[in-house]
Amino acid sequence: EIVMTQSPATLSVSPGERATLSCRASQSVRSNLAWYQQKPGQTPRLLIYGASTRATGIPDRLSGSGSGTEFTLTISSLQSEDFAVYYCQQYNNWPWTFGQGTKVEIK
Amino acid sequence: QVQLQESGPGLVKPSQTLSLTCTVSGGSISSDSYYWSWIRQPAGKGLEWIGRIYSSGSNNYNPSLKSRLTISVDASKNQFSLKLSSVTAADTAMYYCARADAVFGVVVTWGQGTLVTVSS
Repeated sequence: EIVMTQSPATLSVSPGERATLSCRASQSVRSNLAWYQQKPGQTPRLLIYGASTRATGIPDRLSGSGSGTEFTLTISSLQSEDFAVYYCQQYNNWPWTFGQGTKVEIK
Repeated sequence: QVQLQESGPGLVKPSQTLSLTCTVSGGSISSDSYYWSWIRQPAGKGLEWIGRIYSSGSNNYNPSLKSRLTISVDASKNQFSLKLSSVTAADTAMYYCARADAVFGVVVTWGQGTLVTVSS
């Protein structure tokens, strides 16, 4: 099983600032990496797939990068609706696996 | 617009079998473009992909659960189901049914989730 490790566990950021979230895979997943956002009491929402392709309706202040084992989700200027938990997920090898999440909270 | 809805008991006794059904509306479960999946999330924790099934009936299970798991599809009812046997408190979680893109392996549609508690 590919283990996905996200860092940091919690990120405290002020509105308008930039947030950088990291995701590392225990072995290469090529570009088969997705990011999701989850708010309390809600289901996860797909943000990014293919490591860098935004899903429909996702604003361009969110961007994904990386390949192989190192990936980054960047939120260029945090808005109030961006404070949530973010998960990465690999779909290169079965079982598809998620990271443990990064919580982005208001500083 | 495709929607998914989980149904099943919210409380299961230890050692018994957890059974859930997901009803698909607004689209056909026989579509070749998707894996029909079960994903779970213990309270305050991360997500675990339990298993997936294709419209043909071929399935893949998470090895950590494989010995206890059965996922099946009933195309005539546009439903797919989960059975997890010999449950323990560690199986207490929010259970989601989901539609995953067969090419990109990402969840494009989620059910609202159903909380299953394992307790006597």
